[in-house]
Amino acid sequence: SQTIHQWPATLVQPVGSPLSLECTVEGTSNPNLYWYRQAAGRGLQLLFYSVGIGQISSEVPQNLSASRPQDRQFILSSKKLLLSDSGFYLCAWDRDSLLSGANVLTFGAGSRLTVL
Amino acid sequence: GQSLEQPSEVTAVEGAIVQINCTYQTSGFYGLSWYQQHDGGAPTFLSYNALDGLEETGRFSSFLSRSDSYGYLLLQELQMKDSASYFCVTYNFNKFYFGSGTKLNVKP
Repeated sequence: SQTIHQWPATLVQPVGSPLSLECTVEGTSNPNLYWYRQAAGRGLQLLFYSVGIGQISSEVPQNLSASRPQDRQFILSSKKLLLSDSGFYLCAWDRDSLLSGANVLTFGAGSRLTVL
Repeated sequence: GQSLEQPSEVTAVEGAIVQINCTYQTSGFYGLSWYQQHDGGAPTFLSYNALDGLEETGRFSSFLSRSDSYGYLLLQELQMKDSASYFCVTYNFNKFYFGSGTKLNVKP
């Protein structure tokens, strides 16, 4: 079965410090991978998605970047964090559901970032 | 662009039926999905409608009218564990777009 791992689960970082969040998927090959951010009480904002190694599409201009060095690894980074970067970061991958025909997003457990 | 509108909050009592509406505007449409998210957790997939009509999955049903750009999620026999946020989601060329979410409060 497929599983998705995301870490760290929680982190508190000072303004101006770097960031690295990592996500790996097991049990599948060539998944589409996504990074979302969720502010408290809000919906999910798509940050980046990737359809293959080295292929990154950015949805929102900001001080974040993403990389996909391996097929099942997706990394979210920042060189200098801002206060506005605080939020709940979610990695996800999608699959086609054999039951419904839908493209279904499966999320990692999330990383809660607080920038002070 | 993509725009999905949902009510921000709904309250209902245990055992009741509740309907969460979603209206959308998209530049391309490949179906409407619903996700559930409990506080502090990650969203999980509930249902998907590609065509007009009602899809039923246990206590949950989802409806779509493509001509009206409208859908809803119907939750029956509400249980306390149904207290969560519910998101309608559209999909278009590798991008999943989420509504702002509806917080459902189930009271005893």
